Amino acid sequence: EDKVVQSPLSLVVHEGDTVTLNCSYEVTNFRSLLWYKQEKKAPTFLFMLTSSGIEKKSGRLSSILDKKELFSILNITATQTGDSAVYLCAVDEYSGGSNYKLTFGKGTLLTVNP
Amino acid sequence: NAGVTQTPKFRVLKTGQSMTLLCAQDMNHEYMYWYRQDPGMGLRLIHYSVGEGTTAKGEVPDGYNVSRLKKQNFLLGLESAAPSQTSVYFCASSRSQGRAFFGQGTRLTVV
Repeated sequence: EDKVVQSPLSLVVHEGDTVTLNCSYEVTNFRSLLWYKQEKKAPTFLFMLTSSGIEKKSGRLSSILDKKELFSILNITATQTGDSAVYLCAVDEYSGGSNYKLTFGKGTLLTVNP
Repeated sequence: NAGVTQTPKFRVLKTGQSMTLLCAQDMNHEYMYWYRQDPGMGLRLIHYSVGEGTTAKGEVPDGYNVSRLKKQNFLLGLESAAPSQTSVYFCASSRSQGRAFFGQGTRLTVV
């Protein structure tokens, strides 16, 4: 059973649209939730969220975490073709002993058409 | 700035052959990870390490072994490659919490 579930799995929009990507999680010992953007190669970091209700913002991207309902959203306003990518959500959790691990969802493929 | 470096970038193996993927990081990070990425599957954790000399299994460890003899290096081994191990492999490293830095990936094809 997947611990990190992203929705939708794919999304096609037009330039200028606003999109909301969802990430829900189910882990026992949560530490933080992270968002990454992946274009052709390696994922690149967007946000790390540890506290509920505090919005993180970077330009047209923003994200918020709800630790009570166990989900996060990533918003992109005024989308551009350069926003086309796979957006990955990951949860950092304590896994016993001195171990922590980072578990990813399947990702959301966003396509922004001109 | 090197960051996380993976070698090789591409490899084609025959079924049954063995190989080792090398990951090196120069950020003095404690945590290192190996993931595989297949279409529609996101990133799945193979093995990870929380420090020199320690390793732990992730979601999909079967068919792989790892070693972390030096803090800066994390090796992923395939003893007897199978076509099901055709994938893109990513190494990542992080400090004790959160943000992971990724290498550029290794595209492995097993024929």
